[in-house]
Amino acid sequence: AQSVTQLDSHVSVSEGTPVLLRCNYSSSYSPSLFWYVQHPNKGLQLLLKYTSAATLVKGINGFEAEFKKSETSFHLTKPSAHMSDAAEYFCVLTGGGNKLTFGTGTQLKVEL
Amino acid sequence: GAVVSQHPSRVICKSGTSVKIECRSLDFQATTMFWYRQFPKKSLMLMATSNEGSKATYEQGVEKDKFLINHASLTLSTLTVTSAHPEDSSFYICSARTAMNTGELFFGEGSRLTVL
Repeated sequence: AQSVTQLDSHVSVSEGTPVLLRCNYSSSYSPSLFWYVQHPNKGLQLLLKYTSAATLVKGINGFEAEFKKSETSFHLTKPSAHMSDAAEYFCVLTGGGNKLTFGTGTQLKVEL
Repeated sequence: GAVVSQHPSRVICKSGTSVKIECRSLDFQATTMFWYRQFPKKSLMLMATSNEGSKATYEQGVEKDKFLINHASLTLSTLTVTSAHPEDSSFYICSARTAMNTGELFFGEGSRLTVL
């Protein structure tokens, strides 16, 4: 069995301050992990992915995430938040086979 | 990256009617497409896996006769909500994998269904 836990359902930051969105996973297989962003009434856009290569993954729009096997984590970070970053973020895991497991999402709010 | 197009983006229908939603992979062939349902402020719930040329595989609790899925070509999958009722109102999203199957999914923009 595999699972994804997004520890915070809501995160609020000020513009220009760092962003941290937390994700922990559980998988019996070597995992591939993804972060997707969803703006209101839109589909999901891939931010970045980890597929067993470098553990520090850089994505679009200044986001990055670090795969830490010892902590079973894949937290998403950005040094400086922008108003346009306000959205819903999903951590997604795929282990053996085609099955994808979605986290419950984290709503990021960016304030002036 | 690969592009997945979903149509219509919004549809309103009367209770008892059927609605078809299309999912197209525009610049790649997708042997497998996935259909999700998303409730307000919730994560995506996988409804079914659509395989080109064969029957879809439905997740537990999803009514096959209610949500008809057809994957007639390598670039098109359709979801038909039959005899729609207000409780079927939701945001439906499709996704597809490329033939390289790196695990990454490309998502459509979603379709907002409102049943009156």
